[in-house]
Amino acid sequence: GQQLNQSPQSMFIQEGEDVSMNCTSSSIFNTWLWYKQDPGEGPVLLIALYKAGELTSNGRLTAQFGITRKDSFLNISASIPSDVGIYFCAGPYNNNDMRFGAGTRLTVKP
Amino acid sequence: NAGVTQTPKFRVLKTGQSMTLLCAQDMNHEYMYWYRQDPGMGLRLIHYSVGEGTTAKGEVPDGYNVSRLKKQNFLLGLESAAPSQTSVYFCASRRQGASTGELFFGEGSRLTVL
Repeated sequence: GQQLNQSPQSMFIQEGEDVSMNCTSSSIFNTWLWYKQDPGEGPVLLIALYKAGELTSNGRLTAQFGITRKDSFLNISASIPSDVGIYFCAGPYNNNDMRFGAGTRLTVKP
Repeated sequence: NAGVTQTPKFRVLKTGQSMTLLCAQDMNHEYMYWYRQDPGMGLRLIHYSVGEGTTAKGEVPDGYNVSRLKKQNFLLGLESAAPSQTSVYFCASRRQGASTGELFFGEGSRLTVL
């Protein structure tokens, strides 16, 4: 089945720093999604990408759909303490199933 | 708005016991899903439903059963719990016509099987 590999597994950064994380796949995806999970909560959709090469922003977050359609990147600018959480990439496996990466755990030190 | 609500939030079971997790959504969504989340493995789909009265298997269905008797509810059952089913379970829903990935998740149910 399709595998999604996220890196890094965890990040410890200082408030105000920029963050970059990525996700790679063993096969092509037609859609890439990025979710954030706050501690003790369910994941929440941040950004959805539908076209190879697409660059989409949501506030301080920017995500890109890789040209090869096998990768995606998420950047967070000027991090703040509430950015803490686990960030998951995901892609549709079929019409009703998603494959999720293992997540990047972000810690922001004030 | 309640969105997706899961009950119970926490449960401890002994091996061999049975239990049911309830998911309720008030958004009139057609599609509902049960995922499990384990450390270092992301979320994996257990079962899903594309409408009232329908269910289908996901990636890791063994040891679980589901029912969707009402559109707003999706139940996940464990007939004979095993320690390998210790996990955090998430229910999600999606409206018809939305992208596959536009899921709304509940807050999760943490299950420990001793």
